[in-house]
Amino acid sequence: DMKVTQMPRYLIKRMGENVLLECGQDMSHETMYWYRQDPGLGLQLIYISYDVDSNSEGDIPKGYRVSRKKREHFSLILDSAKTNQTSVYFCASNPLGDQDTQYFGPGTRLLVL
Amino acid sequence: GEQVEQRPPHLSVREGDSAVITCTYTDPNSYYFFWYKQEPGASLQLLMKVFSSTEINEGQGFTVLLNKKDKRLSLNLTAAHPGDSAAYFCAVRTGNTGKLIFGLGTTLQVQP
Repeated sequence: DMKVTQMPRYLIKRMGENVLLECGQDMSHETMYWYRQDPGLGLQLIYISYDVDSNSEGDIPKGYRVSRKKREHFSLILDSAKTNQTSVYFCASNPLGDQDTQYFGPGTRLLVL
Repeated sequence: GEQVEQRPPHLSVREGDSAVITCTYTDPNSYYFFWYKQEPGASLQLLMKVFSSTEINEGQGFTVLLNKKDKRLSLNLTAAHPGDSAAYFCAVRTGNTGKLIFGLGTTLQVQP
């Protein structure tokens, strides 16, 4: 069973605060992704990580950075959060042997006041 | 780059009716196609993965059709029930970056 975890599930922050979103998988998946989902805009890719310390910008990387120091963990960091970063954030990963299919975590709902 | 257009954005049907959601894509080299289902407040659940060589794909209560000539992918729910009420997203895999290009989604409501 493909299991991708995300923490926290809900988060409220004030503008200017730092935000750390965590994603995990215990299946040695290589490629992991961070998306945000907004009404009317669908899913937008923020970053891709192909392996430890091998990260690539997605379509909307501005205002975000990522960290992957262990294969099973992929973090999304917002330094000085902005109100327009209020969104639902999803992490996804590719299972070993299948670089085409993405399995998604449960999501983190972030509200920046 | 690849673009994916999904129609309709909203769809309401009665229980037992069929529901059809369609995506068109632009890159003829696209080779994997996906449908995801997202229930309210939940994550995206993979419904089906389709390879470009397979035109008709049967799932539980639905069929996915791929028309490569017209670059069109469709999800057909044959006899919708209220449990099918959700948002549905198509996605297309193209190139070798690992990226999926998603449609904007269709919100399906099935009335009892």
